[in-house]
Amino acid sequence: DTGVSQDPRHKITKRGQNVTFRCDPISEHNRLYWYRQTLGQGPEFLTYFQNEAQLEKSRLLSDRFSAERPKGSFSTLEIQRTEQGDSAMYLCASSLDSYSNQPQHFGDGTRLSIL
Amino acid sequence: GQNIDQPTEMTATEGAIVQINCTYQTSGFNGLFWYQQHAGEAPTFLSYNVLDGLEEKGRFSSFLSRSKGYSYLLLKELQMKDSASYLCAVKGGGATNKLIFGTGTLLAVQP
Repeated sequence: DTGVSQDPRHKITKRGQNVTFRCDPISEHNRLYWYRQTLGQGPEFLTYFQNEAQLEKSRLLSDRFSAERPKGSFSTLEIQRTEQGDSAMYLCASSLDSYSNQPQHFGDGTRLSIL
Repeated sequence: GQNIDQPTEMTATEGAIVQINCTYQTSGFNGLFWYQQHAGEAPTFLSYNVLDGLEEKGRFSSFLSRSKGYSYLLLKELQMKDSASYLCAVKGGGATNKLIFGTGTLLAVQP
């Protein structure tokens, strides 16, 4: 049973650069979520896909952020013109498209550090 | 507004019982989840409550009172490996599927 996979695990980049992260959900899960977590805080919701449709976006998701899930399988999160405040752990989660009690299963995250 | 409160840190002794409280104020309610997160790792699902009462799963139990906006996670027979952050998360009402997380409670289990 493979869990949610995220790549890369760590990304260090200079301010102003663009970065892209990838998430591969659990294979039978058609719901996919992106969260951001900073040290000492709980995850904050960024966006959510059901299959390939992006159904919900947080106000945290500025126009520098874009997420896609082109074939309803893996997803990418791109951050353009990175800023110091973007430094965080970016978590991906997936769940079954079913009732509310289906838990979201998280990947190990991508840790982004902006120099 | 949406607000979830948990204690920041707790300390307990190996073999003992610890209760981690969570209070919430959210616009709508479709269930409450507890997750465990070790440093540098993914949050892992522990329990789910949507109706009032106690849900038991091995050494872990979770309680919910919707009228009070209150939940707790009970950990019995504490082990050193239980040292981790425990996250309380609420799924809001309506069509949303997002989880709203508290800041987490960092539990240190001492010998």
